Amino acid sequence: DTAVSQTPKYLVTQMGNDKSIKCEQNLGHDTMYWYKQDSKKFLKIMFSYNNKELIINETVPNRFSPKSPDKAHLNLHINSLELGDSAVYFCASSPGTFGANYGYTFGSGTRLTVV
Amino acid sequence: SQQGEEDPQALSIQEGENATMNCSYKTSINNLQWYRQNSGRGLVHLILIRSNEREKHSGRLRVTLDTSKKSSSLLITASRAADTASYFCATDAGQAGTALIFGKGTTLSVSS
Repeated sequence: DTAVSQTPKYLVTQMGNDKSIKCEQNLGHDTMYWYKQDSKKFLKIMFSYNNKELIINETVPNRFSPKSPDKAHLNLHINSLELGDSAVYFCASSPGTFGANYGYTFGSGTRLTVV
Repeated sequence: SQQGEEDPQALSIQEGENATMNCSYKTSINNLQWYRQNSGRGLVHLILIRSNEREKHSGRLRVTLDTSKKSSSLLITASRAADTASYFCATDAGQAGTALIFGKGTTLSVSS
């Protein structure tokens, strides 16, 4: 059973399009995250939700909008895609409310390429 | 903002040798974690060490933490080709509404 699953795994799209990435975890964790990994492998936190409530909203363009319909799902919608959005996006989850007191479980990533 | 800095950026060794990676951070932490990322895959949690701990072991992994120097090290003993991956340290400030902050990683290559 996949603990944290992301879809799609690969996404190639043109500039200006709108796209969504979906994430689901079956671990019963309370907190979910979106991280962006750039071409130099640097990971940056974008958003975090705890039990459907947004708790971290880093300096990210408002073209990025997370949505959490329930605590097992956290989706990422991106409007008006730009070349600079090309990266690998990782979803992760962890137990507890103070998210970083435990190890995170990561999905396998979504490689987004904007052309 | 970036918290952890791994050193070295890249490390190449032979199978059977030990690999040591270091991580330095800037602010007070609640815990420090190490993750492995194989090429094209997600990150895998290896070990968590709390700020009141100095050393922790897990199989062939040994992690040390020196909060006075704001540094940690990850030692992989008797390396195998399967250990080839990028290794990241990540720190937690221990505050509500915060998430792990990752360093840039060390790329380890183990040749047979």
